[in-house]
Amino acid sequence: GQQVMQIPQYQHVQEGEDFTTYCNSSTTLSNIQWYKQRPGGHPVFLIQLVKSGEVKKQKRLTFQFGEAKKNSSLHITATQTTDVGTYFCAGSTTDSWGKLQFGAGTQVVVTP
Amino acid sequence: DTGVSQDPRHKITKRGQNVTFRCDPISEHNRLYWYRQTLGQGPEFLTYFQNEAQLEKSRLLSDRFSAERPKGSFSTLEIQRTEQGDSAMYLCASSYSGTGLNEQFFGPGTRLTVL
Repeated sequence: GQQVMQIPQYQHVQEGEDFTTYCNSSTTLSNIQWYKQRPGGHPVFLIQLVKSGEVKKQKRLTFQFGEAKKNSSLHITATQTTDVGTYFCAGSTTDSWGKLQFGAGTQVVVTP
Repeated sequence: DTGVSQDPRHKITKRGQNVTFRCDPISEHNRLYWYRQTLGQGPEFLTYFQNEAQLEKSRLLSDRFSAERPKGSFSTLEIQRTEQGDSAMYLCASSYSGTGLNEQFFGPGTRLTVL
């Protein structure tokens, strides 16, 4: 079945540094979404990517969807303490639009 | 508060007991989803509804799990004969299909502990 994998599992970052987290799917996706979950909280939607090669930016966050629609990345520049949390990617396929398959997430810890 | 709400927030039960959780989605949202999340993992899809129709159910889901959304508004998730392995956070989410965007809004979850 469809599997979504994320690396790294943990990311320790110094405040002000950049980092990237990666997401890979075993199958071609129709769309990919990114969510952020703060400690003790619930997942909060960040963005959805649909087109092959799509790039979207939200302030310091840059999201990419691979040409083959099987991978994605999230790049954060100038990390701040407010970026702490776990970032999940989640994908669905054309024949199962409503079923989101989440990765295990990248837990981000920011050191001041 | 117009967000997704879930009740109860915490449930402790003994192995073998039945439990039922409720989810109230955002009022105009026609899609409703149930997920299960354990520590260190992402949400695991269980099932989803469009209006009152259950459109998909995870093949990993035991027959002990059943979900309903009788009037296309709130939903219930029942677990029969609970096992210790059922201990997890049960998350509900909702979305509106009319935007073309499948942005899902999550509720705070119900934390289940099976003793």
